[in-house]
Amino acid sequence: EAQVTQNPRYLITVTGKKLTVTCSQNMNHEYMSWYRQDPGLGLRQIYYSMNVEVTDKGDVPEGYKVSRKEKRNFPLILESPSPNQTSLYFCASSLGQGGATPYGYTFGSGTRLTVV
Amino acid sequence: DAKTTQPNSMESNEEEPVHLPCNHSTISGTDYIHWYRQLPSQGPEYVIHGLTSNVNNRMASLAIAEDRKSSTLILHRATLRDAAVYYCILSERGGTSYGKLTFGQGTILTVHP
Repeated sequence: EAQVTQNPRYLITVTGKKLTVTCSQNMNHEYMSWYRQDPGLGLRQIYYSMNVEVTDKGDVPEGYKVSRKEKRNFPLILESPSPNQTSLYFCASSLGQGGATPYGYTFGSGTRLTVV
Repeated sequence: DAKTTQPNSMESNEEEPVHLPCNHSTISGTDYIHWYRQLPSQGPEYVIHGLTSNVNNRMASLAIAEDRKSSTLILHRATLRDAAVYYCILSERGGTSYGKLTFGQGTILTVHP
């Protein structure tokens, strides 16, 4: 089944403890992206990658890192999490180089992160 | 970022058609119009997208105005499973917005049995 898989689904951690949220897609998509969703603010893009070894900042990149060493994986790294990073996170992928090409995005099921 | 305007909420009865409007008066010639929906506790789900011509797929139809400043998502027969937040989004090509989907607040669709 074609899908974007995020792990873990739920995570509670403490301030300052490094964590990684994994994202993997099995559709050979070039484009991958991370979003966070907060009440009243909607979904906002954190980082995106147009291909292997190519990443760039979205609207809210502060406090996050990403890497794209393989086409299928796009992990989100929080080096020193803080409570304001408590949010619902979504990974997404697309066949083309972003939504300007005629392809839709596939989203993962989300990771609910709580930083205490 | 190009903006879209949608009603905050709409209601429908089961098995009736639903027309969800979206205004995007600042759309540029290369922007695609995307529609996604999000059910509670789930990730956004792709519904349909188009550029200039009307589009149909198994989920819905997309009607795009001739001047492209507005579009309408059409659910031909609403079911209870269609109750969700529907997002109309412009995918942009230029500069730092390349490929980004900018989500607004969306339209909350309620479907009554």
